[in-house]
Amino acid sequence: GQQVMQIPQYQHVQEGEDFTTYCNSSTTLSNIQWYKQRPGGHPVFLIQLVKSGEVKKQKRLTFQFGEAKKNSSLHITATQTTDVGTYFCAEVRYNFNKFYFGSGTKLNVKP
Amino acid sequence: EAQVTQNPRYLITVTGKKLTVTCSQNMNHEYMSWYRQDPGLGLRQIYYSMNVEVTDKGDVPEGYKVSRKEKRNFPLILESPSPNQTSLYFCASSLGGGGGSYTFGSGTRLTVV
Repeated sequence: GQQVMQIPQYQHVQEGEDFTTYCNSSTTLSNIQWYKQRPGGHPVFLIQLVKSGEVKKQKRLTFQFGEAKKNSSLHITATQTTDVGTYFCAEVRYNFNKFYFGSGTKLNVKP
Repeated sequence: EAQVTQNPRYLITVTGKKLTVTCSQNMNHEYMSWYRQDPGLGLRQIYYSMNVEVTDKGDVPEGYKVSRKEKRNFPLILESPSPNQTSLYFCASSLGGGGGSYTFGSGTRLTVV
């Protein structure tokens, strides 16, 4: 099936440092959704990107969709301990009602 | 409050003893899905349903059954659980039909001994 590759698998940062996770595909993505899963919790929807080159911001989080719609990134500026968790991207193909999740990036933030 | 409710949150059972994990959503969502989450493997889809009486296999359906008799409920059935089904399970729902994001349940941690 469709594969969305997500890197890195793990990232350890000092509080205040920046963090970026990437989702890549060999084919054009219909759209991308991003989710966050806190330790011991469940994935929670963050945002959806649909248009080529789209950039959206949520406070310290910046989400980008590549011009060719083959990649996406989530960047966190000046991480805080509340950012700890696993971040997943997912391609959603509505015509097939299929969600293709990346393997996730686990972020640890040291205070 | 809009939510997906899963029960139980934790379950320890023995090999071969049939069990059901319930899932209910109050958002009138058409699309519902079950995932299992294992370390290093991310979220893998077990089964999904696009509407009442319409279900289909996901990526890892072996050993599982589902039903969708009502729009709000989507139970996951393990007829004869085995230790390799020890995992964290999530139910999720979305609008379907061309829009929406997933709302996930809180998860069910299943241990099969």
